[in-house]
Amino acid sequence: EAGVVQSPRYKIIEKKQPVAFWCNPISGHNTLYWYLQNLGQGPELLIRYENEEAVDDSQLPKDRFSAERLKGVDSTLKIQPAELGDSAVYLCASSTQGGLEQYFGPGTRLTVT
Amino acid sequence: ELKVEQNPLFLSMQEGKNYTIYCNYSTTSDRLYWYRQDPGKSLESLFVLLSNGAVKQEGRLMASLDTKARLSTLHITAAVHDLSATYFCAVGTNFGNEKLTFGTGTRLTIIP
Repeated sequence: EAGVVQSPRYKIIEKKQPVAFWCNPISGHNTLYWYLQNLGQGPELLIRYENEEAVDDSQLPKDRFSAERLKGVDSTLKIQPAELGDSAVYLCASSTQGGLEQYFGPGTRLTVT
Repeated sequence: ELKVEQNPLFLSMQEGKNYTIYCNYSTTSDRLYWYRQDPGKSLESLFVLLSNGAVKQEGRLMASLDTKARLSTLHITAAVHDLSATYFCAVGTNFGNEKLTFGTGTRLTIIP
């Protein structure tokens, strides 16, 4: 069974540019999470989706970050405009609805110059 | 605000030795997760502990949970080089809509 797929794996952009990350969760997983992992830190939740509904976006900086999961499967996380402090790894995870265990993708490493 | 603290943050140990990583958390929960992360890689689930007194073992790793003390431990027995990685604990809250709060991680280096 394929795991959580993310792309791109690496992205380098200049500050003030937009950037988008894509995630395809494990088949059948209704719940999708986006996490931010700064260097030397644990992941921090940005947003959680149940199907196409964002049920917890309290940690998402809404002035520059947005996310969507239009058909309840794939999801896109966008930053516009990017700032130097956004350099980090963006992880996507998925789980079954109500499931306890989350399965993580390989992440996208973003560098903002 | 839930706090999850791990110690030590860095651990360098010799092959063959035993050691323990500690995970303390600040709120009531009976769900504790341990993950492993290799450099540049994603998180790999190691253990899911779901009740007070839960103990799970896989190879040279054993995890336990004491919900009354709000403490989980990850014990390493006779360490080998392949165990070098960063280990994270995470506390689960909001049962049914599980939310994970991660610790800062313990970077483990096994020296031959």
